[in-house]
Parts: sequence; C-alpha cells; structure tokens
Amino acid sequence: QSALTQPASVSGSPGQSITISCTGTSSDIGHYNLVSWYQQHPGKAPKFMIYEATKRPSGVSNRFSGSKSGNTASLTISGLQAEDEATYYCCSYAGDSKYVFGSGTRVTVL
Amino acid sequence: EVQLVESGGGVVRPGGPLRLSCAASGFTFDDYGMTWVRQAPGKGLEWVSSINWDGSSTAYADSVKGRFTISRDDAKRSLYLQMDSLRAEDTALYYCARIMFVEGSTTFYPVGFDYWGQGMLVTVSS
Repeated sequence: QSALTQPASVSGSPGQSITISCTGTSSDIGHYNLVSWYQQHPGKAPKFMIYEATKRPSGVSNRFSGSKSGNTASLTISGLQAEDEATYYCCSYAGDSKYVFGSGTRVTVL
Repeated sequence: EVQLVESGGGVVRPGGPLRLSCAASGFTFDDYGMTWVRQAPGKGLEWVSSINWDGSSTAYADSVKGRFTISRDDAKRSLYLQMDSLRAEDTALYYCARIMFVEGSTTFYPVGFDYWGQGMLVTVSS
C-alpha cells in the first residue's frame, strides 16, 4: 500500500486560509468516505482533527474543515494562527481493516 | 480521561525480538478496536497493525506481516505488539491508538484514531 500524496509544505500569513491536498486511489480515498486528518506538533503525539472527510471531533476548532472529491481529500485551515504551525497527515481506510497515511505536510505561519 | 501509555521499548539487535505494551484507562477497553502506528526518526506516520474489539480480527502492514503480532488482554486492559526478526528499518517511535467507530445503516465503520499514547522508541542496532 503506497502512502497517500500530500504536498511537502504549505505556508500562509496569519489570518489567511490554506488548503492541504491528499491524493489517493480508487482503492482507498476514492472507495471509502473514511478519511481522517491529524495535526502533529514537534515531539508530540498526533491529534485527531477531522473524520469521515468532513466532520470535526468535539473540541476541534471550526477553523479546520475537510472535504473530499473523487480520489482527493483536502483540509482547509481558515484564519491561520501561529499555533497552527505543525505537520498535518491525512489517513484513509483501505479495506480489510488496513489503513494508509499521507506523506505529511508541514504548515508554516509566516 | 482516556489514557494510553506505551512501554517495553529500547535497543535491540537486528534479528532480535521485542514486545511493546499499551496500558489503557478511562474508557471501556473491550468496546474498542486498537491500532499501532509508527514514525521513523524525521519521517511520517506509518500504520502498522490493528485489532478489533474482541481480538478475533487482526491486520498488518505488508512491511511487518509475518514478523509482528498484535494481541490484547481485556482483563488487563492492555494492547501488545510482539515484534520478531527486527530490522534496522523498524527503528521508530511506536504509538498505540484507539480506533473510533461510528454506526452506519448496517455496520460500524472505522473513522479514525481518536486517542494516542505518547509513543515508545524502538531502536534496532548492532
């Protein structure tokens, strides 16, 4: 199972919106609506940010939103803040109780 | 409060075995599937293995299949990862995580990993 494709880095100024793409195949993202997103700060465990492509767990800021079209999922961060600087990973269910992560995107707040 | 605490990591020689444990608290352990995810130094996340709520179903990444075994002991509220025939490329921080399920029209669907441990470092080196 190959990793999902994400851009290596995305940057934006405070207050701006940025979008991170996550491209898979018809066997994972395109087949299941079971895409999740995780935020990871350096030296910390990942944090669950989005599930079922568009839903936010309780406690996650509404500045984070997700979408999916075909084999590509996206995470949008609106009103970018300094605390959003982190690495973001997408993940998709791939059938038979298996999962695949994206390659990760480092977000820099300018 | 949900807590997951890994233990058992360390330095092991290539070809050797190591067993990781993950102690769970703050939720009904035997209601949930569990998973192991690893992160090599400076690299991204890699899904390793998952087990369902009652231990009857397991899954493995191709990179570890046949070498790693996931198991659980609900009485001890613990998840395990037995790692055999370890290789240098298995060097990583290993996280245990809880699998969140939502109910669909006909079954439950795994929607992601909602709680994570702090990670346990495994170093494979001679």
